[in-house]
Amino acid sequence: EPEVTQTPSHQVTQMGQEVILRCVPISNHLYFYWYRQILGQKVEFLVSFYNNEISEKSEIFDDQFSVERPDGSNFTLKIRSTKLEDSAMYFCASIDGKYGYTFGSGTRLTVV
Amino acid sequence: RKEVEQDPGPFNVPEGATVAFNCTYSNSASQSFFWYRQDCRKEPKLLMSVYSSGNEDGRFTAQLNRASQYISLLIRDSKLSDSATYLCGGSSNTGKLIFGQGTTLQVKP
Repeated sequence: EPEVTQTPSHQVTQMGQEVILRCVPISNHLYFYWYRQILGQKVEFLVSFYNNEISEKSEIFDDQFSVERPDGSNFTLKIRSTKLEDSAMYFCASIDGKYGYTFGSGTRLTVV
Repeated sequence: RKEVEQDPGPFNVPEGATVAFNCTYSNSASQSFFWYRQDCRKEPKLLMSVYSSGNEDGRFTAQLNRASQYISLLIRDSKLSDSATYLCGGSSNTGKLIFGQGTTLQVKP
């Protein structure tokens, strides 16, 4: 079964540092997403990406966040200057335009 | 009204029991509906899509009631391995998936 792959599985970073979370979506999927889940809270939408541009973003996705699809296979989420409250699980997801998102196994980001 | 709302539980049931979860949604999350299963610190995994006609997959049955804006999930003959958090999700007209906070199920021997 095709998978969405995310790296790293766990990242610890100091407050104020930049982090890049990486995802390889399923190859024939067209829509890509980032979600996050703060411990004990619900899975929240961050941003959607289609045709090499952001199609929608949430209030959480402020100027500190950016996404990129640099080479046709990777899909990255960059946080420019991390804050303590950015500590969360970050999930990448992709969809082929039909029902049912496939999520990656997530990156646990810990900001210290 | 929250976009997607679930009773967080926990629901503690014995093995073999039948358990039902409900989820309500608002107009902003009303295109397509799904139930996902999430194990502790893992990614959500699609359990089933939810159709107006209702759908069944083994011990799992999902129903959609558009008039009352709720969806349900019924689990029959609960197994220990069904212990997890069940996420209700509705997609918006822009395609994003909006989740409820999840309902925790604990099946006990």
